[in-house]
Amino acid sequence: DAGVTQSPTHLIKTRGQQVTLRCSPKSGHDTVSWYQQALGQGPQFIFQYYEEEERQRGNFPDRFSGHQFPNYSSELNVNALLLGDSALYLCASSLTQGDNAFFGPGTRLTVL
Amino acid sequence: GESVGLHLPTLSVQEGDNSIINCAYSNSASDYFIWYKQESGKGPQFIIDIRSNMDKRQGQRVTVLLNKTVKHLSLQIAATQPGDSAVYFCAENIETNAGKSTFGDGTTLTVKP
Repeated sequence: DAGVTQSPTHLIKTRGQQVTLRCSPKSGHDTVSWYQQALGQGPQFIFQYYEEEERQRGNFPDRFSGHQFPNYSSELNVNALLLGDSALYLCASSLTQGDNAFFGPGTRLTVL
Repeated sequence: GESVGLHLPTLSVQEGDNSIINCAYSNSASDYFIWYKQESGKGPQFIIDIRSNMDKRQGQRVTVLLNKTVKHLSLQIAATQPGDSAVYFCAENIETNAGKSTFGDGTTLTVKP
């Protein structure tokens, strides 16, 4: 079992660009959550996907959007990038009826 | 709003000593709590969890204590090892949705040999 995988590992973009990050959940998990972790801070919940729909959302603008595919994998899209979007983006997978969430290694996004 | 806070941003202990990391939470509706360990360059790793109907839960070398009266959570690590050096986060959840957690800013544990 490969656990939660994310791609790419690192990414550099410039302000105003758009980015897509990808996540494959742990085998058997059907729920994917995305978090943003700024340097020196705890992860902040962006949104959660289940059954290909956004189920819950944190306090993030509409520039942040996502998608979940039938195989439960997920994408995070960020439009009109700002310098403040530079962070580690974490994906966590879980069972919708389960208690434990597993995190991937993250994608380090740098916006110049 | 909802928030989870940690009492100390850093903690330094000697190898072999016991470590205690504290966390305060503010949302009385939270019913599920998780401790995560995050090493440099990696995502958070689950350590141990506890539901609100419990006061204590033990794992391998770790114990979590929950005091709902004062909204306090602690993680105890027995016989701390150099490999325990990392940032530790407590996270709170409502409705036992492990996928949606509110994290604090973490405590950096440094274990001196």
